[in-house]
Amino acid sequence: QSALTQPPSASGSLGQSVTISCTGSSSDVGGYAYVSWYQQHPGKAPKVVIYEVTKRPSGVPERFSGSKSGNTASLTVSGLQAEDEADYYCISYAGANKLGVFGGGTKLTVL
Amino acid sequence: QVQLQESGPGLVKPSETLSLTCNVSGYSISSGYYWGWIRQPPGKGLEWIGIIYQNGHSFYNPSLKSRAALSVAASKNQFSLNLRSVTAADTAVYFCARVASNAPTDWGQGTLVTVSS
Repeated sequence: QSALTQPPSASGSLGQSVTISCTGSSSDVGGYAYVSWYQQHPGKAPKVVIYEVTKRPSGVPERFSGSKSGNTASLTVSGLQAEDEADYYCISYAGANKLGVFGGGTKLTVL
Repeated sequence: QVQLQESGPGLVKPSETLSLTCNVSGYSISSGYYWGWIRQPPGKGLEWIGIIYQNGHSFYNPSLKSRAALSVAASKNQFSLNLRSVTAADTAVYFCARVASNAPTDWGQGTLVTVSS
């Protein structure tokens, strides 16, 4: 299984929106409605911000949203805040008896 | 609310076995879910090691399968990782996690394991 492709970096100004892509194949992202996104601050464990492509866990701000088109999933952060600066990882289900496939991660900088 | 906590040595010598335990609280391992280990080398991305169910059914990252072994101690509400024949390339923060749909949902805080003589 190949890792999902994410841009190494993304940036946006305070209050703006930014979208991070996660590209896989029909065997993972395109084939299932199970894509999650994690936010990781330095020295901390990852935290789920989106699961099952579009769902937000309780406590995650509405500014975080997810979508998918074909083999590409996307995470959009609207109204950027300073605390959104972090690394973001996607993961997709890839079939029974297979580990989910991680993306390589995207470093989001808030300008 | 489930909580996970990794424990084990922070320093392991090359060629030896890395052993970590994840203590689970707030949820009984016997009630379901897969449980897994993920690692993150310094400055790098997330890498699966493997996942295990309460009945012992497990699957592994093919790149580590020959060296990794997961086990469950349901009576202690713990699961464990053994990674044999470690090298400096195994230096990483190791996370344990509860897994659903083959993705981590709840994470431990992570523990840094350094492989060095």
